[in-house]
Amino acid sequence: DAGVIQSPRHEVTEMGQEVTLRCKPISGHNSLFWYRQTMMRGLELLIYFNNNVPIDDSGMPEDRFSAKMPNASFSTLKIQPSEPRDSAVYFCASSLGGGGTGEYLAEAFFGQGTRLTVV
Amino acid sequence: AQKITQTQPGMFVQEKEAVTLDCTYDTSDPSYGLFWYKQPSSGEMIFLIYQGSYDQQNATEGRYSLNFQKARKSANLVISASQLGDSAMYFCAMRGLKAAGNKLTFGGGTRVLVKP
Repeated sequence: DAGVIQSPRHEVTEMGQEVTLRCKPISGHNSLFWYRQTMMRGLELLIYFNNNVPIDDSGMPEDRFSAKMPNASFSTLKIQPSEPRDSAVYFCASSLGGGGTGEYLAEAFFGQGTRLTVV
Repeated sequence: AQKITQTQPGMFVQEKEAVTLDCTYDTSDPSYGLFWYKQPSSGEMIFLIYQGSYDQQNATEGRYSLNFQKARKSANLVISASQLGDSAMYFCAMRGLKAAGNKLTFGGGTRVLVKP
């Protein structure tokens, strides 16, 4: 298996522009997580999908951020408009389990991350 | 709500010695899993080991072992015979049965530097 695939690996954009990050989870996994990592705030969970349905989006910073999972093999995280404080590494991760089932012991596999720089 | 606390922001360890990384957690879930991840300077997140809340024995994976003390709500990672390649950030994480459909929550991490 190719693992979790994120694109792009690096993104540099100007303040005010729209940014779209993409993620392809591991085939067969039904849980998908988006995390943001910064030096100041560490690793933050932004949103969590189970079976393509958003279960917890309490970590999404504000209305500028949105995430979708139109099918089991693709998810996007969009920032519009982007701001310099959004600069971070964004990780996507997938796993089995979720939705209150007994598969809560399943580990999550991470993509390589997208390093976003907003100037 | 579930919370993971890693109180050691950074530590040094001599090559070939063992090191213990602390992790305490708080949850109201009766059933949960605890995980450790490694993040080297290259940035990827690597799964190391997990422990289930009902597991009677401590988990082990090669040089990694998990010192699970359920009553104290701690799940410390022990790395034996440290190697230079163990220098990295280490994250403790938790996933509960009831917590928002099994979401995965991370602690703040501990940076380990192995000295030759």
